[in-house]
Amino acid sequence: DTAVSQTPKYLVTQMGNDKSIKCEQNLGHDTMYWYKQDSKKFLKIMFSYNNKELIINETVPNRFSPKSPDKAHLNLHINSLELGDSAVYFCASSQRNSGVSYNEQFFGPGTRLTVL
Amino acid sequence: EDQVTQSPEALRLQEGESSSLNCSYTVSGLRGLFWYRQDPGKGPEFLFTLYSAGEEKEKERLKATLTKKESFLHITAPKPEDSATYLCAVRKEDSSYKLIFGSGTRLLVRP
Repeated sequence: DTAVSQTPKYLVTQMGNDKSIKCEQNLGHDTMYWYKQDSKKFLKIMFSYNNKELIINETVPNRFSPKSPDKAHLNLHINSLELGDSAVYFCASSQRNSGVSYNEQFFGPGTRLTVL
Repeated sequence: EDQVTQSPEALRLQEGESSSLNCSYTVSGLRGLFWYRQDPGKGPEFLFTLYSAGEEKEKERLKATLTKKESFLHITAPKPEDSATYLCAVRKEDSSYKLIFGSGTRLLVRP
């Protein structure tokens, strides 16, 4: 299936641990994003990569580090997890340099992170 | 400050009872307004893009419209399967391509 996929779907961990979330898209898009959705359902952009280059880096703690090994993959590593990091993290992708479309973003199913 | 506000926060309708959801925005230069549907436990699903005031898009029972300050998502004769959270987002006229989302409207359609 053509889609944006994320692993794992659920992640439960202790405060202070380090964890990673992986994202892959097979839509042929050149841009990928990480969003955080808090308990009030606000979706907020964290990072974006275009062809493996970081183009958006919102005010996010340094404990969060994205990595894009190629334009189909974007991973998110979180160091020293804190209680406030508990949220749902969504990966998305779009075709930035299409010249025609308005760059609709397509989202993955989300990773629910719970920090205890 | 760039802002997207959706109302109402929650809406309960009877099956067949038409209504509208509102998305008002203040951004410095609009480069597109997007509507998404989000089901519980899933990622947002793209519905529509609107670019210029006066534009309208339709898909089944949904119709999205855009003015210079707001967008409406009209739902005609909704069915229970239309129950979801509807999210609105805007893209600014800058190079970042980032979307600024509203907090959504939770729609429940009762049979």
